[in-house]
Amino acid sequence: GAVVSQHPSWVICKSGTSVKIECRSLDFQATTMFWYRQFPKQSLMLMATSNEGSKATYEQGVEKDKFLINHASLTLSTLTVTSAHPEDSSFYICSARDRGRWYEQYFGPGTRLTVT
Amino acid sequence: AQTVTQSQPEMSVQEAETVTLSCTYDTSESDYYLFWYKQPPSRQMILVIRQEAYKQQNATENRFSVNFQKAAKSFSLKISDSQLGDAAMYFCAYKGNGNKLVFGAGTILRVKS
Repeated sequence: GAVVSQHPSWVICKSGTSVKIECRSLDFQATTMFWYRQFPKQSLMLMATSNEGSKATYEQGVEKDKFLINHASLTLSTLTVTSAHPEDSSFYICSARDRGRWYEQYFGPGTRLTVT
Repeated sequence: AQTVTQSQPEMSVQEAETVTLSCTYDTSESDYYLFWYKQPPSRQMILVIRQEAYKQQNATENRFSVNFQKAAKSFSLKISDSQLGDAAMYFCAYKGNGNKLVFGAGTILRVKS
């Protein structure tokens, strides 16, 4: 149980285009989802927290207009990187919290974004 | 704000031997959870072990155990009988009353055959 999927696992896009990453909780209802960014050999950096049906809360320094987060249902959150640039290339990880287990986050497998 | 410190950027262990990864944290909260996550080369985050602060007994999961010292705010991970598959980056994390997980910088564990 408690499986989180991400799609796509790997995406290459051209500079100036937008790309959408999906995060789904497959066997539980995720009232809260989190989006992280991770550079090689570094820790996870929280970008934003989203609650189903409400606007995401972004961490300081994260551009809201560049990283659009939508959490429209209890099983799906999306991260859209708008007008992507090479510096947006990174590994993006989502996690989800089960309604009944507030202390634990379940992580997706991550998405590697390369902007050329 | 809470902080988590992992002071060992890299560690090495011989296969079948024991290694301990260090973690300290800072908080003013009395109720919280501590976690160790493993991130292998696939980069999938895997929960290794969880400790509730109110429990005095140290958590154990097969070859993985923790030494939780609440007063010292220390939470080390011991891996016994190390295996090649244990090679990964290990993150210590804190969860208090807030929404967020606070992660340490991570420790890269190398296992030598």
